[in-house]
Amino acid sequence: QVTLRESGPALVKPTQTLTLTCTFSGFSLSTSGMCVSWIRQPPGKALEWLALIDWDDDKYYSTSLKTRLTISKDTSKNQVVLTMTNMDPVDTATYYCARSRIAAAGNDAFDIWGQGTMVTVSS
Amino acid sequence: AIRMTQSPSSFSASTGDRVTITCRASQGISSYLAWYQQKPGKAPKLLIYAASTLQSGVPSRFSGSGSGTDFTLTISCLQSEDFATYYCQQYYSYPQTFGQGTKLEIK
Repeated sequence: QVTLRESGPALVKPTQTLTLTCTFSGFSLSTSGMCVSWIRQPPGKALEWLALIDWDDDKYYSTSLKTRLTISKDTSKNQVVLTMTNMDPVDTATYYCARSRIAAAGNDAFDIWGQGTMVTVSS
Repeated sequence: AIRMTQSPSSFSASTGDRVTITCRASQGISSYLAWYQQKPGKAPKLLIYAASTLQSGVPSRFSGSGSGTDFTLTISCLQSEDFATYYCQQYYSYPQTFGQGTKLEIK
């Protein structure tokens, strides 16, 4: 059974750096084609894709947020970490991690999601 | 970035109705499109991928069609558990992008 679980602080202050961890089981990020993404959703708003890391350590970022984001993986711990610098109240959102795969035909959809973790940015 | 536009943004329907939600991409994405269902306080759930392939375990009343820039999600006979918000997503190119969502409410 594939599961993902997000963890991190529920509250951060403006200008601080947010560090979120996605701990997963049931698959390995060292397996060819496996990917993990971070997606966020401000309260009452739409989903926004943030970043993706694949089994080969290739990384892709949201165009608007790329200067603030870093995604990394620890294959031995089955974890993916997202850091976001210079947090602002507009970054208040539920942050999800999700699995996808890359096949010969290209990317695939997010088939398994974590439950999400709510992050509030406030002084 | 490829912009995904859903219509309508919200609408009301009754149990047993047939409903269709539309998603348009700002440029061609072949069939690299997924549909998700999200209920309040829950993570999105994958319904359809590759524009028309039903994810395992999803009821057959859900179907998807389209390719290129225009796509539809159809629910053939609405059940009470289908009232939720639906999102389309393109995974043709980076950055991957979602539509703004369609909230389906009970009439």
